[in-house]
Amino acid sequence: QSALTQPRSVSGSPGQSVTISCTGTSNDVGTFNYVSWYQQHPGKVPKLILYDVYKRPSGVPDRFSGSKSGNTASLTISGLQAEDEADYFCCSFAGRYTYVFGTGTGVTVL
Amino acid sequence: QITLRESGPTLVKPTQTLTLTCSFSGFSLSTSGVGVGWIRQPPGKAPEWLGVIYWNDDEGYSPSLKSRLTIIKDTSKNQVVLTMTNLDPVDSATYYCAQKRRTFDPWGQGIVVTVSS
Repeated sequence: QSALTQPRSVSGSPGQSVTISCTGTSNDVGTFNYVSWYQQHPGKVPKLILYDVYKRPSGVPDRFSGSKSGNTASLTISGLQAEDEADYFCCSFAGRYTYVFGTGTGVTVL
Repeated sequence: QITLRESGPTLVKPTQTLTLTCSFSGFSLSTSGVGVGWIRQPPGKAPEWLGVIYWNDDEGYSPSLKSRLTIIKDTSKNQVVLTMTNLDPVDSATYYCAQKRRTFDPWGQGIVVTVSS
C-alpha cells in the first residue's frame, strides 16, 4: 500500500483556479468513492474540506470541488483566495478497513 | 460538540513501546458506524494513516505497521488506546486521533512524540 501521488506544489493568482491531482491505484481511488481532502495551514490541525470525492462539510465554501476519474481524484479550488494558501492532502479507503493518504501538495497564492 | 484529545509520553527511547490515549467527547463508540482512527505526521511531511477501530470492534491497520500496532477501545471511558512497539527515531511525529464516520473528522490537536535516546 503506497501513498497516493500528489504534485508537490501548485500555484495560482488570486481569482484563478487550481487543480490538485491525487493518483492511486485500482486498489484504492480507482475502486472506492471514499476520497477525502484535507487542508492544513502551518502549525494547524488538518481540516476536512471534501469527503466521498465531492461532498463538502458544512461551512466549506463551494469554491472547493472534487471529482474522480479512474485512479485519479482531483480537488479544484476556484476563485483562489489568499487564505487558500496551505498544504492539501487526499485520503482514500483502500479496502479491508484500511486507508491511505496522499503525499501532499502545497498551494501558493501568487 | 465533538472533541478529541491525545495524551501520553512526548519522549520515548528507541526500542521502547509507545502508548497513546485518545479521550473523546460528543459521541459514543457504541453508536453504529462510529470509529476512532489514528494518524501521524512527521515534521514537514504528509500524514500517514495508522489504524482504526469501530463500534463493533472491527479494526484495520496500516499494512506496513500492522505487526507493531494495537488499538483497543474502552467505550465506558470514551477512550481509545494506541500501542506501537519497537520505536525508532523515524517514528517521531505528531500523532492524531480522529473520529471516523464518513471519514476522519474531526481530529484532535495532536501530540508530538520524539523518539530519541
